[in-house]
Amino acid sequence: ETGVTQTPRHLVMGMTNKKSLKCEQHLGHNAMYWYKQSAKKPLELMFVYSLEERVENNSVPSRFSPECPNSSHLFLHLHTLQPEDSALYLCASSQDYQAEAFFGQGTRLTVV
Amino acid sequence: KQEVTQIPAALSVPEGENLVLNCSFTDSAIYNLQWFRQDPGKGLTSLLLIQSSQREQTSGRLNASLDKSSGRSTLYIAASQPGDSATYLCAVHPNSGTYKYIFGTGTRLKVLA
Repeated sequence: ETGVTQTPRHLVMGMTNKKSLKCEQHLGHNAMYWYKQSAKKPLELMFVYSLEERVENNSVPSRFSPECPNSSHLFLHLHTLQPEDSALYLCASSQDYQAEAFFGQGTRLTVV
Repeated sequence: KQEVTQIPAALSVPEGENLVLNCSFTDSAIYNLQWFRQDPGKGLTSLLLIQSSQREQTSGRLNASLDKSSGRSTLYIAASQPGDSATYLCAVHPNSGTYKYIFGTGTRLKVLA
């Protein structure tokens, strides 16, 4: 168990649906991240929150909307996605921006 | 722009062999470098973190080295086992106050019994 828990593990959604991914970390870390992993491509950083404040946003389409209600929880709200958004979405946490990162098991998202 | 490359992309070795995985990066201004393991369809498991001031880190059968000036890191796996089969990723953390890790595309390792 890595201390970072993601739910659900698998999600299939239509292009008109709205769904949310959830991440919870039990490590007492201050920073939380969303990454996207597509086949044959390096992990892409989507968003970073530090102490519940968004500190990085890497040109992610507005159909992805993050939310960090407290330092232990991070959500990724999804709406009107495209098939090319199908990927493994990974949550991570670290104590601060220079520290070791710990990842969750990911959510496998399929957009149909 | 920092780029991270891992060669080879895939590797098959017989059980018991010692092996080296390579990671290279284009900008030596890094704060640290982290090696991860990823099993198919799963998340990343942290293996080793090397700070820029360090030359190597060891954990069990794993040893990671860092040569910052030449932009290279290696992950040495001793006495490989079938359970070591996974994709190994390296990521560098730029020394610029950013939260962003830059990842390579990984080396897919298969250890044959």
